[in-house]
Amino acid sequence: DGGITQSPKYLFRKEGQNVTLSCEQNLNHDAMYWYRQDPGQGLRLIYYSQIVNDFQKGDIAEGYSVSREKKESFPLTVTSAQKNPTAFYLCASSVTFRQETQYFGPGTRLLVL
Amino acid sequence: KNEVEQSPQNLTAQEGEFITINCSYSVGISALHWLQQHPGGGIVSLFMLSSGKKKHGRLIATINIQEKHSSLHITASHPRDSAVYICAVVRGSARQLTFGSGTQLTVLP
Repeated sequence: DGGITQSPKYLFRKEGQNVTLSCEQNLNHDAMYWYRQDPGQGLRLIYYSQIVNDFQKGDIAEGYSVSREKKESFPLTVTSAQKNPTAFYLCASSVTFRQETQYFGPGTRLLVL
Repeated sequence: KNEVEQSPQNLTAQEGEFITINCSYSVGISALHWLQQHPGGGIVSLFMLSSGKKKHGRLIATINIQEKHSSLHITASHPRDSAVYICAVVRGSARQLTFGSGTQLTVLP
C-alpha cells in the first residue's frame, strides 16, 4: 500500500543527545515536510523539501537539520541545540510543492528525559 | 492574534447531534483545508475548499471568502467522529499551510 511511514512511534532522548526521526514515502511525491505539534498550538513548519537534494527552512528550523538524498526519504535530526524538543513530530508529502493536498504520516512523539 | 482561529477549542456532544466547528482567518488565502487527527496522532485530509460548499457522507464544509470564515458540520454525530479537527489555510506564493490549533470533539454514546 502507498503511504508515509514514520519511525519510531515513540522516542526518548537524554538531554544533550541528537536523535534522528525517520520519514519514508512510497507515493512518488516530490515535496516533503516536517511539522511540530505542541499542545494547544497549530502545526508549525520546521523544514520542507521541494525536490530531492533540496530543502528549505520553515518557521521554526533552529535546532533541527534535515537531508533529502533520496526522493522517498526525508529524515529529521533534532540536535542538542533545540531547547525544547519534547513534542509530536509529523511528516507529510505532496505530489509537488505547489500541490495543496498533503498526506501525513502517523507521527513520532519525542520525549526528552 | 493567531492568523487562523478555531472555535470552540473543545466540544462535547451526544450521539446523533448536529455539530458545527468554526474557522476564521485574517489573511488572504487561496484555499482552506479541514483535517481530522485521530487519538493516535495520524492526520487525514477531509476537505480542501476554495469556495462554496463540499459534502462527503455526514460531513459538510462551507467557506465564505468575503467573511474569511469556514465551517465544518457533522450530521448525526457518532462516537467514532471523536477526534481533533484542524483548519489550515493556504497562503502566499509559497503556498505554505498555516494551521489552527484544532477543535477537540468528543461524541458520547
